[in-house]
Amino acid sequence: ILNVEQSPQSLHVQEGDSTNFTCSFPSSNFYALHWYRWETAKSPEALFVMTLNGDEKKKGRISATLNTKEGYSYLYIKGSQPEDSATYLCASMNYGGATNKLIFGTGTLLAVQP
Amino acid sequence: DVKVTQSSRYLVKRTGEKVFLECVQDMDHENMFWYRQDPGLGLRLIYFSYDVKMKEKGDIPEGYSVSREKKERFSLILESASTNQTSMYLCASSPVGGPEAFFGQGTRLTVV
Repeated sequence: ILNVEQSPQSLHVQEGDSTNFTCSFPSSNFYALHWYRWETAKSPEALFVMTLNGDEKKKGRISATLNTKEGYSYLYIKGSQPEDSATYLCASMNYGGATNKLIFGTGTLLAVQP
Repeated sequence: DVKVTQSSRYLVKRTGEKVFLECVQDMDHENMFWYRQDPGLGLRLIYFSYDVKMKEKGDIPEGYSVSREKKERFSLILESASTNQTSMYLCASSPVGGPEAFFGQGTRLTVV
């Protein structure tokens, strides 16, 4: 079983704070790293898909970086807002078998207090 | 707009019942996945399928089976539901090779 680990497990911040989460994943047979945002009662929504070492992606106040050699990715949120409250999931897609499976970490639950 | 649809949002079943969770995607994706989500454990892969009638076990297949008779539909079957199968179940699909996957809205199953 491939292990994808995320930290912290949960985070409580004040509106306006900047924050970041970590995802570590197996670097062997690496194909892609995904970040998803999952709000209660909704489907997980893809934020970023990154494949190349050194990739950096940005969407508004949220950005992510990827290091495939050492097997980690960071997600940053600048100036957190209450609407950023959600579970942030990372998932690693590695080559293997008949197709490429997405293996998820346990997620980071972010709560932003107004 | 891409769509993965799960047949029920909420389901309550009795212990020992046979339960079917249905998932349909309209994107002509080859790959389809079933996950369950439990507090503190994240999303765990139960089964996946990479083609019609093809399936592979994920990390926690015990107590489950799947069926993929048509490309757009992937069913998860609980042969004899037990209380430890109470969970949120998520279906996803992706094109062959990925990388992006699309999720359904989830089915919260309670087994009593």
